[in-house]
Amino acid sequence: KAGVTQTPRYLIKTRGQQVTLSCSPISGHRSVSWYQQTPGQGLQFLFEYFSETQRNKGNFPGRFSGRQFSNSRSEMNVSTLELGDSALYLCASSWRLAGDTQYFGPGTRLTVL
Amino acid sequence: GQQLNQSPQSMFIQEGEDVSMNCTSSSIFNTWLWYKQEPGEGPVLLIALYKAGELTSNGRLTAQFGITRKDSFLNISASIPSDVGIYFCAGPDGSSNTGKLIFGQGTTLQVKP
Repeated sequence: KAGVTQTPRYLIKTRGQQVTLSCSPISGHRSVSWYQQTPGQGLQFLFEYFSETQRNKGNFPGRFSGRQFSNSRSEMNVSTLELGDSALYLCASSWRLAGDTQYFGPGTRLTVL
Repeated sequence: GQQLNQSPQSMFIQEGEDVSMNCTSSSIFNTWLWYKQEPGEGPVLLIALYKAGELTSNGRLTAQFGITRKDSFLNISASIPSDVGIYFCAGPDGSSNTGKLIFGQGTTLQVKP
């Protein structure tokens, strides 16, 4: 069974640009969560999608958004990039919305110059 | 909100030694998860614990769900160089009925051959 895949793996952008990251969950998994990982803040929850609906959102500005498609694939978008958005963005999938183990993808390393 | 305090922050040990790390919280968790992350990769699930008092092994790894439900520990026996990485404890955020995970700060393990 294929794991969680994320594309692209690496991305370099400049301040003010926008970026879209993609995540394909494990086959059959319907819940997708996104996390931001930085050395200073650790792993922080961005948002979670289940059945194409955002079910929970972390404490991030509105520049961070996401969506989920009918095949459970998910994208997250960051507009008007700032230097502080440089991070590893991780996607995790699970079968159910809550009470289920989450499996992580390899992440997308975003560098903002 | 809920927080997880992980200790120690880092460990530098000799190959063959046993390792112990723990995670504590001021609030109750119903699930404890232990992940390992290697440089440039996403966290990989090592052990999941679902019941207070549960003791679960995965090869040389053993983890326990504390009976108070406020702590968990992970032991690695006879460490080898490939055990190097960052180990995270995590648990579901009890304030939201979703899959949002709360993560500890991580324990960085280095093994000297």
